[in-house]
Amino acid sequence: QQQVKQSPQSLIVQKGGIPIINCAYENTAFDYFPWYQQFPGKGPALLIAIRPDVSEKKEGRFTISFNKSAKQFSLHIMDSQPGDSATYFCAASRNLIKAAGNKLTFGGGTRVLVKP
Amino acid sequence: EAGVTQSPTHLIKTRGQQATLRCSPISGHTSVYWYQQALGLGLQFLLWYDEGEERNRGNFPPRFSGRQFPNYSSELNVNALELEDSALYLCASSPDGSSYEQYFGPGTRLTVT
Repeated sequence: QQQVKQSPQSLIVQKGGIPIINCAYENTAFDYFPWYQQFPGKGPALLIAIRPDVSEKKEGRFTISFNKSAKQFSLHIMDSQPGDSATYFCAASRNLIKAAGNKLTFGGGTRVLVKP
Repeated sequence: EAGVTQSPTHLIKTRGQQATLRCSPISGHTSVYWYQQALGLGLQFLLWYDEGEERNRGNFPPRFSGRQFPNYSSELNVNALELEDSALYLCASSPDGSSYEQYFGPGTRLTVT
């Protein structure tokens, strides 16, 4: 069962544009929603994360919007640059201290290309 | 501060053989997670070790196993390799079992021929 659905699969924008990636989850027990950025040949790098008690979080040019009632969250990349070209993954987890279940469930990934 | 390291970078095995992959977490981190990133399938959770114990495993057969050593480094073993085991295997570490943040290593590319 795919618990986190990510769209679109790929995205092409011009430099300065705002790529928007959307994710939807099913498990209401999730309480942590990170985004990872992965360049070819590298492991995913934690970009930004949000908890369900806030509706928006900004870090630099990256913004997460969170809609708890709709069980959806999205990543916006402001003033995108060619160096932002990468694959982006959303994920979700629930934190259970020392209990089984502390794992990240990932979306399928979005390949973003920012053209100069 | 050194990040998560993994070895080897690439590994080529034939069907039926065994593969051993290694991971060293960020200094001070006690939790290690393993994920499989197969082409077209995204990242799938494999195993979670915390303070030397296996805490959780994903939906993978028992031929995927591992362990965590007293220094918190970890090893993933894949027995009786099958062609569909070809993937990038990623290790992530976390400060402890209650922490949300996971930091990934560069991965080991396993190719089964």
